[in-house]
Amino acid sequence: GQQLNQSPQSMFIQEGEDVSMNCTSSSIFNTWLWYKQEPGEGPVLLIALYKAGELTSNGRLTAQFGITRKDSFLNISASIPSDVGIYFCAGQGGVRVNNDMRFGAGTRLTVKP
Amino acid sequence: DGGITQSPKYLFRKEGQNVTLSCEQNLNHDAMYWYRQDPGQGLRLIYYSQIVNDFQKGDIAEGYSVSREKKESFPLTVTSAQKNPTAFYLCASKGGTSYEQYFGPGTRLTVT
Repeated sequence: GQQLNQSPQSMFIQEGEDVSMNCTSSSIFNTWLWYKQEPGEGPVLLIALYKAGELTSNGRLTAQFGITRKDSFLNISASIPSDVGIYFCAGQGGVRVNNDMRFGAGTRLTVKP
Repeated sequence: DGGITQSPKYLFRKEGQNVTLSCEQNLNHDAMYWYRQDPGQGLRLIYYSQIVNDFQKGDIAEGYSVSREKKESFPLTVTSAQKNPTAFYLCASKGGTSYEQYFGPGTRLTVT
């Protein structure tokens, strides 16, 4: 099945900096989800987006559902060391609702104190 | 506390042996999923189940089997036919008409 194109693959930033990452697809999605995964653990849902153009925040995290419905963006403001982890996007769409979730390969974030 | 549990956290097996990974949820979710995660790749769907006593193959079902005898439980068996079974396995569940999948803590399987 088609996977999403997520970039960048990795980021090394200084504490306090802002972070941006994105996911793109050749297909239209009805839902975009963003997850964070820490080493050896399962992904934790951060933000869910359901409408094209929607902008949703969760603390220092802000995510947007692209107008074309083929992309989504996640921003983290004023990063802190505990932001370290892998951030995954996931898109849900198409006819087969229950098994049509596609995942990006992840953005590995490292924050230097 | 509601959630998804997977056991064990780490599992070691010899090549040629079948092994079963446990997944239990008390969220009253109808749908459950098994994913495989390999370094540098997105999650790949192995099997999913929308309701008790029913399950469907995902993208990489070969060498795996599942059962769904109870709503709360969705065990995954990695058979000896799976050519490259060493990976991190994640179970997830989803309730009602929501698209949001919630994940368990994962099981790291190492086959030597």
